[in-house]
Amino acid sequence: GAGVSQSPRYKVAKRGQDVALRCDPISGHVSLFWYQQALGQGPEFLTYFQNEAQLDKSGLPSDRFFAERPEGSVSTLKIQRTQQEDSAVYLCASSLASQRLYEQYFGPGTRLTVT
Amino acid sequence: AQRVTQPEKLLSVFKGAPVELKCNYSYSGSPELFWYVQYSRQRLQLLLRHISRESIKGFTADLNKGETSFHLKKPFAQEEDSAMYYCALSGRSNTGKLIFGQGTTLQVKP
Repeated sequence: GAGVSQSPRYKVAKRGQDVALRCDPISGHVSLFWYQQALGQGPEFLTYFQNEAQLDKSGLPSDRFFAERPEGSVSTLKIQRTQQEDSAVYLCASSLASQRLYEQYFGPGTRLTVT
Repeated sequence: AQRVTQPEKLLSVFKGAPVELKCNYSYSGSPELFWYVQYSRQRLQLLLRHISRESIKGFTADLNKGETSFHLKKPFAQEEDSAMYYCALSGRSNTGKLIFGQGTTLQVKP
């Protein structure tokens, strides 16, 4: 079956613009994660959903970052008033069950460049 | 503080040589440790976890709590092992939050 998909794959935004990044998890996957990966670094956790509930948002760097998963499937990560330091690859991952949260299936990522 | 350190950005070996990718962690408690791998033009994927004590694609990793290390080893490297390897840690928060190291690029030369 299809894996995790993300759109757009590439996004260029001018500083101050708002952006919305979409994630389609694997069908039936309960858990969904967002990570931010800066150039040359490992992924950094942003937030976690179990179904539609956002159970951990401790990694969101500022109140400009907002994530939602209203129907427990597709998720959107929104960044308001983008800054240059927001430039990174944003990875979405999903996992099947709450008992195997570590087994995360990653999407291809969205590369965000803020100019 | 929870932290994962991979001291080498690049490890270059010849085919058939042994490989050891280093990973050290900082965590108060009993974490779970994992290795994730990203092959060229592919997605990040789970390679192995310490609890299962398994060998995947010839790779093994042993958790050394005394040295707080979780090094990834393979006795004979193959060209297809060339990839980016990330060590990751998960605490006991039940949120699945993974803390990744910076990654090590393994280059296996023919």
